[in-house]
Amino acid sequence: GESVGLHLPTLSVQEGDNSIINCAYSNSASDYFIWYKQESGKGPQFIIDIRSNMDKRQGQRVTVLLNKTVKHLSLQIAATQPGDSAVYFCADTLSGSARQLTFGSGTQLTVLP
Amino acid sequence: EPEVTQTPSHQVTQMGQEVILRCVPISNHLYFYWYRQILGQKVEFLVSFYNNEISEKSEIFDDQFSVERPDGSNFTLKIRSTKLEDSAMYFCASSEEWVGQGVGEQYFGPGTRLTVT
Repeated sequence: GESVGLHLPTLSVQEGDNSIINCAYSNSASDYFIWYKQESGKGPQFIIDIRSNMDKRQGQRVTVLLNKTVKHLSLQIAATQPGDSAVYFCADTLSGSARQLTFGSGTQLTVLP
Repeated sequence: EPEVTQTPSHQVTQMGQEVILRCVPISNHLYFYWYRQILGQKVEFLVSFYNNEISEKSEIFDDQFSVERPDGSNFTLKIRSTKLEDSAMYFCASSEEWVGQGVGEQYFGPGTRLTVT
């Protein structure tokens, strides 16, 4: 079955450092991936997405890398700020099922002053 | 900035009771979704909805669940006879296009915390 999982449940980084959050997926048919940020008491917030025909995509201070060979996805946050503290999780869609997402379990990012 | 709103923020109900969770999607969005998140666990897809019809639903979305767009602005999730295991945060989301099309984002509401006692 489809599963999307995260390598580490928690990650602590110093303010100003770069953060890397990893995600593994199991289904090679997955063709669209999204990273979400969830702050305490709020709904998930879209950060960045990537299609399976790409291996890298950059946004504002964030970069997503996709390695289809090992079915691995990562989110890199540059110059991490206190406001980046949140739970981050990846989600994917199965090919032919563009109407639902499968979510990973999340990584709690804590930015230390 | 437009946002998805949900009411109530917290609903407490007794087992066996019916609950209706309400959502107001972003006004120009046509695609709607419900997800749930049991405390400390993953966000789980429940159902997607377009043009007054369910498009896809998960195994969680059994006969006890239903969705409705009763008017031009609201999107509701009804649980007919709540069970203890229905206790979770329920998120509504909306988008301009189907998620996965890569056109625009899926916007989530702040959630309704449902507690079944």
